This record gives sequence, C-alpha cells and structure tokens, in this order.
Amino acid sequence: DADVTQTPRNRITKTGKRIMLECSQTKGHDRMYWYRQDPGLGLRLIYYSFDVKDINKGEISDGYSVSRQAQAKFSLSLESAIPNQTALYFCATSATSGETYNEQFFGPGTRLTVL
Amino acid sequence: QQPVQSPQAVILREGEDAVINCSSSKALYSVHWYRQKHGEAPVFLMILLKGGEQKGHDKISASFNEKKQQSSLYLTASQLSYSGTYFCGTDYSGGSNYKLTFGKGTLLTVNP
Repeated sequence: DADVTQTPRNRITKTGKRIMLECSQTKGHDRMYWYRQDPGLGLRLIYYSFDVKDINKGEISDGYSVSRQAQAKFSLSLESAIPNQTALYFCATSATSGETYNEQFFGPGTRLTVL
Repeated sequence: QQPVQSPQAVILREGEDAVINCSSSKALYSVHWYRQKHGEAPVFLMILLKGGEQKGHDKISASFNEKKQQSSLYLTASQLSYSGTYFCGTDYSGGSNYKLTFGKGTLLTVNP
C-alpha cells in the first residue's frame, strides 16, 4: 500500500546531541509537512515543503532544520537537542490534485525524548 | 493564531449525539477536521471550504459559518469507534499557499 513511514519510531537522546528524523512516502504527493504534538497543545507545524525546491517555516521552526532530499523524502533535524523538544513528531503529506486533494496523510509518528 | 475548540472533552453513551465547535478570530478560507485515536496518527474526516463546498466521509457531517468564522462537527448516534481526539485545522491563506493551524483538540469518549 502507498504509505507514509517515519524512522525511527522511538528515540531517546541526550541534551546537545544532533538528531535526524526521517520521513518517506510512496503516495507520490508533492507536499510534505513536519508537525510536533505535545499533550494538550494539539499539532503545531514546524516546516512544510510544497516541492523539492520550496521549503517554508511553520509556527515553531526555531531549533529545527529540514531537508527535502527528493519528492519522497523529507527529513527533520535537531542540531542540538534540548529537553523541551521532547515530543511526538508527525510527518504528513498531501496531494495538489485528484480525489484526495488537500487531505493530509500522517505517518505513524516518532516519539523523541531528550534527557 | 490557533483556533479555539470547544468543549475540551465530552463523554457520551453509545447512541448519543455530540457537537464539537471550532472558532477562529481571523477570516477562514477552509476548515479541516481530523480524528486521532489513542496511540495512532490523525486521520482525515472532512474539509469545508469557503463558499459551501464540502468533502469528507459520508457518516460525518459538519457546518462552516463564514461570517462567524466557526465550524461545527456533528457526531450523531455515536459508536464506540468514534472515541478519540478531534482536531480542527484552519487555513487562513487559501489559494496555493496551503497550510493548516490546528486547535488543541476535543477528547471524545464513547462508553457502552
């Protein structure tokens, strides 16, 4: 099945370490997103990309960077992790046309703990 | 600006109805609804566009009041499978610059 996958699914790291979260999709969607979810705060947009050459900051981009290596791959990096970046991270994709136009499809999430 | 959802939580018995509201202080282009079951990823339910167009699952209904910048999600004859956290996502930009700002969510619990 066409899908959105995230690796790793769980990660525990220490303050100051560099971390990369990866997202891959087989849906053929142009648009990809990274969200962060904290209890009681909902989903907050970190970065989004409308194609390989178009990357934009979201609401809470400070402390994060992204790379769109190909249409199917969108990585999120924490250059120097800090404890308040402990959260559940979701990648999502959406199409620009067709039956599922503008519906976002979410990956299973990566639970990141920064000690 | 994050949209405001109400109520924050609601508990129902199977078969009862519920309404979840989403309000914005800014003009909206569209409102999107997602449901997230515990331990899972959010799943798309519905999109409501300015002008009245809607797209979503047959068993879900919702409204979009453009003047009041509000949307409501109607869950009728609730089933146990309706349990989860419901999020509205608002699109302020419209056109091709599309991104969502999500509310904090409404936790719906349906009991037997």
